[in-house]
Amino acid sequence: NAGVTQTPKFQVLKTGQSMTLQCAQDMNHEYMSWYRQDPGMGLRLIHYSVGAGITDQGEVPNGYNVSRSTTEDFPLRLLSAAPSQTSVYFCASSQTGASGGNEQFFGPGTRLTVL
Amino acid sequence: GENVEQHPSTLSVQEGDSAVIKCTYSDSASNYFPWYKQELGKRPQLIIDIRSNVGEKKDQRIAVTLNKTAKHFSLHITETQPEDSAVYFCAAYTSGTYKYIFGTGTRLKVLA
Repeated sequence: NAGVTQTPKFQVLKTGQSMTLQCAQDMNHEYMSWYRQDPGMGLRLIHYSVGAGITDQGEVPNGYNVSRSTTEDFPLRLLSAAPSQTSVYFCASSQTGASGGNEQFFGPGTRLTVL
Repeated sequence: GENVEQHPSTLSVQEGDSAVIKCTYSDSASNYFPWYKQELGKRPQLIIDIRSNVGEKKDQRIAVTLNKTAKHFSLHITETQPEDSAVYFCAAYTSGTYKYIFGTGTRLKVLA
């Protein structure tokens, strides 16, 4: 199993450009999520999904869109990149269970710089 | 909204000593509390977790304690080794919202 994969690993954008960060998992996990990691601020939840066709906003959703058409894929779209979106982006997936949360498996991350 | 506070932000200990990292969560409905370790340039990886129906859990040199009344949980690492040096994150998950909220991280340095 590849686990959680993300592409690209690095990206440089100019202000106003749009792009999609790709995330895929091969563990048949229902739950997927996107985080951004900034120095001193930990991991902040952008958007999450509990299954195909279902998405919801996290702590910092502004400027980002997501969709979940399949169980495997959960792309994150930046609509009009801003320098404040310079960050490291992690995708994660986990099983969902009646007893609550479960271990999240993280992808390798995408380092995004917006000039 | 939901919030998780984590302290300290940095922690230096001598090799062989113990390290304790503390977190406080705001949502009393939170029911799952994982801890992740992130080495420099790597992805976070789960090291231990605890559910709200358990007060303590131990795995070799690592233990987690949970006080639901005070909404506190802590990570304890005994007999620290240089390879324990990393950033550690706590998180709280609430079933009703399906959200994992992370603390801001603790940079642990184990001095040889």
